[in-house]
Amino acid sequence: SYELTQPPSVSVSPGQTARITCSGDALPKQYAFWFQQKPGRAPVLLIYKDNQRPSGIPERFSGSSSGTTVTLTISGVQAEDEADYYCQSAATSGYVFGTGTKVTVL
Amino acid sequence: EVQLVESGGGLVQPGGSLKLSCVASGFSFSSYEMNWVRQAPGKGLEWVSYISSGGNSIYYADSVKGRFTISRDNAKNSLSLQVKSLRAEDTAIYYCARWLQDSYYGMDVWGQGTTVTVSS
Repeated sequence: SYELTQPPSVSVSPGQTARITCSGDALPKQYAFWFQQKPGRAPVLLIYKDNQRPSGIPERFSGSSSGTTVTLTISGVQAEDEADYYCQSAATSGYVFGTGTKVTVL
Repeated sequence: EVQLVESGGGLVQPGGSLKLSCVASGFSFSSYEMNWVRQAPGKGLEWVSYISSGGNSIYYADSVKGRFTISRDNAKNSLSLQVKSLRAEDTAIYYCARWLQDSYYGMDVWGQGTTVTVSS
């Protein structure tokens, strides 16, 4: 079955930049979406269509795509950005989520 | 206020059944495709099922195919997931999420989730 692979964890100091990658063979042909999930909360859509931000999402969150890898970048990381992050894309019949990345703010 | 509210979760024995519900408010439910996504304790997100805005197109994850049935009633702004032949590995929080039809806006609104626990 189709998989999207993310690093299990990323650590970053406040004010620095965090980059989270997501790799999948179909990503050159399918859009990617990114979600943030904090403990005990439902996921929140951060990025749609590879690099678009929904209204209300801070500008420090951005997305990019290159070949089979998409990247979520958090610029000027804040303590409140500590959370789990998931990429998501389309599969043959349905959708698939990435394995998830825990971002720790040092 | 745009809102999705799930219900119907609970404790069920292996092999048992439940019907999960998701009620929408604050938006035009019939214009949105809907999904169920689950999260096992301490694990990541797993897409479970999709239904088109009119209910004509349905997909399931391989892990639930043949055991779960998604449906919707646009007149009642409601989405359902009938879950049968439950296994321990189906234990999870089940979320419903909307996706504007024929768009790439993604799953932009999620419910708070309903918890299913499969245990004897």
